[in-house]
Amino acid sequence: DVVMTQTPVSLPVSLGGQASISCRSSQSLVHSNGNTYLHWYLQKPGQSPQLLIYRVSNRFSGVPDRFSGSGSGTDFTLKISRVEPEDLGDYYCLQSTHFPNTFGAGTKLELK
Amino acid sequence: EVQLVESGGGLVQPGRSMKLSCAASGFTFSNYGMAWVRQAPTKGLEWVATISYDGSSTYYRDSVKGRFTISRDNAKSTLYLQMNSLRSEDTATYYCTRDEVYYGLLGYFDYWGQGVMVTVSS
Repeated sequence: DVVMTQTPVSLPVSLGGQASISCRSSQSLVHSNGNTYLHWYLQKPGQSPQLLIYRVSNRFSGVPDRFSGSGSGTDFTLKISRVEPEDLGDYYCLQSTHFPNTFGAGTKLELK
Repeated sequence: EVQLVESGGGLVQPGRSMKLSCAASGFTFSNYGMAWVRQAPTKGLEWVATISYDGSSTYYRDSVKGRFTISRDNAKSTLYLQMNSLRSEDTATYYCTRDEVYYGLLGYFDYWGQGVMVTVSS
């Protein structure tokens, strides 16, 4: 299975500041069709996960433009600018290029 | 508005069975693949199983293959997960999710239910 390694495990931030989360895969996530199937989720405390970014850099419906995704191959980043209180929680990356789908272990975004 | 509502969880003894259901609304259920994702207490997310839009294709993680069966009833807009020979390591919150790809591979999970807790313990 493809191993997804997220860093850091915990990320203290100040409100209004910027956060950057890394997700690295043990194999390239470029599919033979040329697409890269790497996605990002946020799980707020006590809630279900919600989709933020799909296929590396596409914001899902209703997601603020403070969230941006980038990367290629095996190295991906989620950036959050102007952090707001509702951004706090656990962030997960997911790859669906290779079967089975695998998630990263998560990054907890918390207040400094 | 897309809604996914799970039911059927609870406490079950090791080796016994349990069936989860997920009632979908707000979209054309028969056009989408569907999946189950679970989360053990204080742990991360783990994909469990996926079914294609018409039920003709199903996919499982190795640890549940042969024990779990994912199925769907498009007439009732309902997804199911039949779990047999349950083990303590199956203890988790189980989320019903919509797969944005109809055939169930290469997609992402765009909508999630609120989750249902399954506890396997004697």
